[in-house]
Amino acid sequence: GAVVSQHPSRVICKSGTSVKIECRSLDFQATTMFWYRQFPKQSLMLMATSNEGSKATYEQGVEKDKFLINHASLTLSTLTVTSAHPEDSSFYICSAATGGAGYGYTFGSGTRLTVV
Amino acid sequence: GENVEQHPSTLSVQEGDSAVIKCTYSDSASNYFPWYKQELGKGPQLIIDIRSNVGEKKDQRIAVTLNKTAKHFSLHITETQPEDSAVYFCAVLNTGGFKTIFGAGTRLFVKA
Repeated sequence: GAVVSQHPSRVICKSGTSVKIECRSLDFQATTMFWYRQFPKQSLMLMATSNEGSKATYEQGVEKDKFLINHASLTLSTLTVTSAHPEDSSFYICSAATGGAGYGYTFGSGTRLTVV
Repeated sequence: GENVEQHPSTLSVQEGDSAVIKCTYSDSASNYFPWYKQELGKGPQLIIDIRSNVGEKKDQRIAVTLNKTAKHFSLHITETQPEDSAVYFCAVLNTGGFKTIFGAGTRLFVKA
């Protein structure tokens, strides 16, 4: 079946630095990828939708200059948390869909970001 | 926009018993209803899904039922096992785009 590889699984960074998280579709082409944020014991909150070759669409309240998303190819989307602060510490998860009606989403394994 | 409510938030059952989790949604145009299982520190995994033209779907010990008129759908797990312990999320596809709207999650504990 479809596999989405997300790296790194855990990252600790210092305040003020930037962190890049990668999401790759291994055996299919993902025209659309999604980035979610999940706080402890809470549901997934959609941050943005990225489409290959175009700018990402951000959800209301998500700072696009802070959470930079790049979807340069059909198999790779990246999320860069710029100038990270402790409040950015969270679990970030990507998911990918093929083109069409949007069925068949596959999630990555998530990235635990800790900003110290 | 779409609103998804999931109940209960926590469910504890004895091994071998059945577990039922229910979700309601608000957008009658929604037509895809997946259920995900999330284990600690991992991403969600699709366990079963149903589309609006079907009322019930079963896969071994897991089944999902959909009532489009009442706008609710349920996950049924029979003969529960300790490894079923996890957080389960229902979700609804926003037919205005590709967005998946998640329920708040149900933490299932299966006691041996």
